[in-house]
Amino acid sequence: QQPVQSPQAVILREGEDAVINCSSSKALYSVHWYRQKHGEAPVFLMILLKGGEQKGHDKISASFNEKKQQSSLYLTASQLSYSGTYFCGTNPRGGNKLVFGAGTILRVKS
Amino acid sequence: NAGVTQTPKFQVLKTGQSMTLQCAQDMNHNSMYWYRQDPGMGLRLIYYSASEGTTDKGEVPNGYNVSRLNKREFSLRLESAAPSQTSVYFCASSEAPQAFSNQPQHFGDGTRLSIL
Repeated sequence: QQPVQSPQAVILREGEDAVINCSSSKALYSVHWYRQKHGEAPVFLMILLKGGEQKGHDKISASFNEKKQQSSLYLTASQLSYSGTYFCGTNPRGGNKLVFGAGTILRVKS
Repeated sequence: NAGVTQTPKFQVLKTGQSMTLQCAQDMNHNSMYWYRQDPGMGLRLIYYSASEGTTDKGEVPNGYNVSRLNKREFSLRLESAAPSQTSVYFCASSEAPQAFSNQPQHFGDGTRLSIL
């Protein structure tokens, strides 16, 4: 039931791009994305509610493919501040709980 | 603006001891949640409260109890702590019930709990 995130970890140099994927075995109503820096609380990035919906936040954007039951987070021209662990949280149709993936560790090097 | 405040930040317990983790939010949110975070497993929901006066089990409720004291406060109690409950505990709140899931969750800074 837990969504599967890939890759588990990625290392980038500043300015490079990355894609983090989140897949579910169940149909989804929505997908949340959060970022957590080491030793800190998770911080909300964005929510996607409709199939095909794309949202952007500075150079971080996301898409939601309802038919494929998956979402992707796109980080372009990465900055050192993007380092952290990214979590997707999914809400299956008819479900009333948000289920989080295991996380993707992103490290941006100078 | 404090947001979500958790106390204590750190705690060490012996097996069999009991304790209560406190959580308070000042954003007038309806829904509150308790999660535990273990290495490589993400955030797992223990209990949640969709609104004042209601509570419901999450994925991993065994060994825990909760109380929604009022709209602001949601506490988590370990009646008889076990080493398997060593974890980082996060409290979160959101404006809308999780069932609608169109509101972000705001997290506290966490409580790091070790049980020996």
